[in-house]
Amino acid sequence: AQSVTQLDSQVPVFEEAPVELRCNYSSSVSVYLFWYVQYPNQGLQLLLKYLSGSTLVKGINGFEAEFNKSQTSFHLRKPSVHISDTAEYFCAVSDTGNQFYFGTGTSLTVIP
Amino acid sequence: DAGVTQSPTHLIKTRGQQVTLRCSPISGHKSVSWYQQVLGQGPQFIFQYYEKEERGRGNFPDRFSARQFPNYSSELNVNALLLGDSALYLCASSLNDYGYTFGSGTRLTVV
Repeated sequence: AQSVTQLDSQVPVFEEAPVELRCNYSSSVSVYLFWYVQYPNQGLQLLLKYLSGSTLVKGINGFEAEFNKSQTSFHLRKPSVHISDTAEYFCAVSDTGNQFYFGTGTSLTVIP
Repeated sequence: DAGVTQSPTHLIKTRGQQVTLRCSPISGHKSVSWYQQVLGQGPQFIFQYYEKEERGRGNFPDRFSARQFPNYSSELNVNALLLGDSALYLCASSLNDYGYTFGSGTRLTVV
């Protein structure tokens, strides 16, 4: 079975500052890793995904994440955040690609 | 192209009632999954269907059931509603695995 731990439930950051949202996973098999963003009263939007290959994955809206197998981590980063990045961010893991296990989410608040 | 469409967007039901939620996938997508998102939590997997066959089931009671139609749309049914079933129900569709697009969800409130 897989599980995901998002270490920070809330992350406040000033506009134009860098941010890192942490995600650790546990799995006994090879996994695929995802980050989704959820704006208020909306569904989930895929930011980026790691399936194989390069461990540095670039996504939409300037986000990137690095897969670290030895540390079982998949942290999300952005060098300079905007007010519009304020949202809930979910890390997810899957071993099959069709059933996802989500973390409890990190609420990112960008402060003007 | 239209995204994943879910209906209704909101509904209120009484304990013990039954509810049916509907999902229309993106055109051409044959795989549909359902997730339950309780307030303050991450989504939890309920079902996955592909070509009208159930391919996966999460840890939910038998009160939850689903089906997929020949046009790949899907319904999620929940019987004997409990207060704890109050949640945002998300549908996601995919052309193949690894690339799921989520709908905006149906907000179910059980009173």
